[in-house]
Amino acid sequence: NAGVTQTPKFRVLKTGQSMTLLCAQDMNHEYMYWYRQDPGMGLRLIHYSVGEGTTAKGEVPDGYNVSRLKKQNFLLGLESAAPSQTSVYFCASSLDRDDQGNTEAFFGQGTRLTVV
Amino acid sequence: DQQVKQNSPSLSVQEGRISILNCDYTNSMFDYFLWYKKYPAEGPTFLISISSIKDKNEDGRFTVFLNKSAKHLSLHIVPSQPGDSAVYFCAASEIMNAGNMLTFGGGTRLMVKP
Repeated sequence: NAGVTQTPKFRVLKTGQSMTLLCAQDMNHEYMYWYRQDPGMGLRLIHYSVGEGTTAKGEVPDGYNVSRLKKQNFLLGLESAAPSQTSVYFCASSLDRDDQGNTEAFFGQGTRLTVV
Repeated sequence: DQQVKQNSPSLSVQEGRISILNCDYTNSMFDYFLWYKKYPAEGPTFLISISSIKDKNEDGRFTVFLNKSAKHLSLHIVPSQPGDSAVYFCAASEIMNAGNMLTFGGGTRLMVKP
C-alpha cells in the first residue's frame, strides 16, 4: 500500500536549471495537489488538479508548471530554478468531500529542494 | 494575509500532562477543519477533524474543540506522550472551493519531555 509517492526525495539545483518532480498515487483519487513548506509559513498551495487533464493555480504558482496526463500522476516543473524556490515540496491527493464534509488529504514524504 | 493562523510556534509540556494547541481562522466560509501531525523527513499525516456543525470531536487521547463565534479551534492531547513530539498543522476547507484544497496554518512544534 504505497499511497502517495514522490520522486526524488532530495535534489540540489543551480540557479537557472530546470527539473520535474513526480508524484504518483495508487488510491484512485480525483484531486491532487502540490504544496511547498517553508519555516513559519505552513504549507502553501502551488497548483492543484481536480481530475485527469485539468490543472489550476493555487496560492503561490509563479515559477512552476504542472501537468496531469494520467489520473495517478501529477508532475511539478521548475523551468528556471531560483534560490527562492528552495523549499520542501509535498504532493497530496484526496477524494471529493463526503456527506460530512470530510476532505482528508494524503501526503507524500516530501522532496527537499535546494537551489544554489 | 494568512486565513489560518497558529500563533504559537512551539510548545513544551511534560509527559502525562495536557497539551493544548490553538488555531484561529478568518474565513467564515470554512466549514471543515483538520489537524495534521508531521514528523521530521516525513509527510503530514491526518490526526483528527471536525465539521462546523459540531463543537467537539474526540478520538482516544485527542480532542478537537471548535468555537465558531470566535473562529477558534484547539487540539487537546491527554495524556501527552514523548511520541507526540512533532509539528502539528491546523487546516481548513470551505464547501464552495471547487478544488477541495486545504488551507494550512504555520504549524506548532510540540515537545513532550519524559
